[in-house]
Amino acid sequence: IAGITQAPTSQILAAGRRMTLRCTQDMRHNAMYWYRQDLGLGLRLIHYSNTAGTTGKGEVPDGYSVSRANTDDFPLTLASAVPSQTSVYFCASSPQGEGNQPQHFGDGTRLSIL
Amino acid sequence: GQNIDQPTEMTATEGAIVQINCTYQTSGFNGLFWYQQHAGEAPTFLSYNVLDGLEEKGRFSSFLSRSKGYSYLLLKELQMKDSASYLCAVRDGNYQLIWGAGTKLIIKP
Repeated sequence: IAGITQAPTSQILAAGRRMTLRCTQDMRHNAMYWYRQDLGLGLRLIHYSNTAGTTGKGEVPDGYSVSRANTDDFPLTLASAVPSQTSVYFCASSPQGEGNQPQHFGDGTRLSIL
Repeated sequence: GQNIDQPTEMTATEGAIVQINCTYQTSGFNGLFWYQQHAGEAPTFLSYNVLDGLEEKGRFSSFLSRSKGYSYLLLKELQMKDSASYLCAVRDGNYQLIWGAGTKLIIKP
């Protein structure tokens, strides 16, 4: 089934550790996004990529990095996790960064930093 | 700053009609999206409006007034499975999506 796969589904991590959240899509979408979702707040964009080889910063990029070596993969790395990064992380993709096409979401990664 | 406002929570009865409002203030406008998100799941796309007026899709309709910075999602013939959060998102002048915090809809039998 075509779509977006995120891994892991959930993770408990000690503060200070490095963690990479994986995201793979098989829809050949050009644009990909990483969001965090916290209770009472809207989805907040961390980083995005409009096409392979390019990335950009979203609303809350500090403490996170991304890479886009190919069309399908868009990993998100926490270099040194802190408790405020406890959240649900969603990866999304869309055919292009502009236009009326909606974003499609993965099932999310629930991350707890202790 | 940019802002999307939605009610935090609404309650409605099975079989009834409910309207979920969304007001926005953004730097530019390139369309408004509604998504549904069941608890513990990913958001899924419901509707898109870029021109003023009503878009109908089965039991769900979405309305947009760009001059008022206002949209609503109308759900008819409510079913228990419609219990979810409904997210309003606006694509701003830079084509970034700005998200509201969502409206949790509780359906009672």
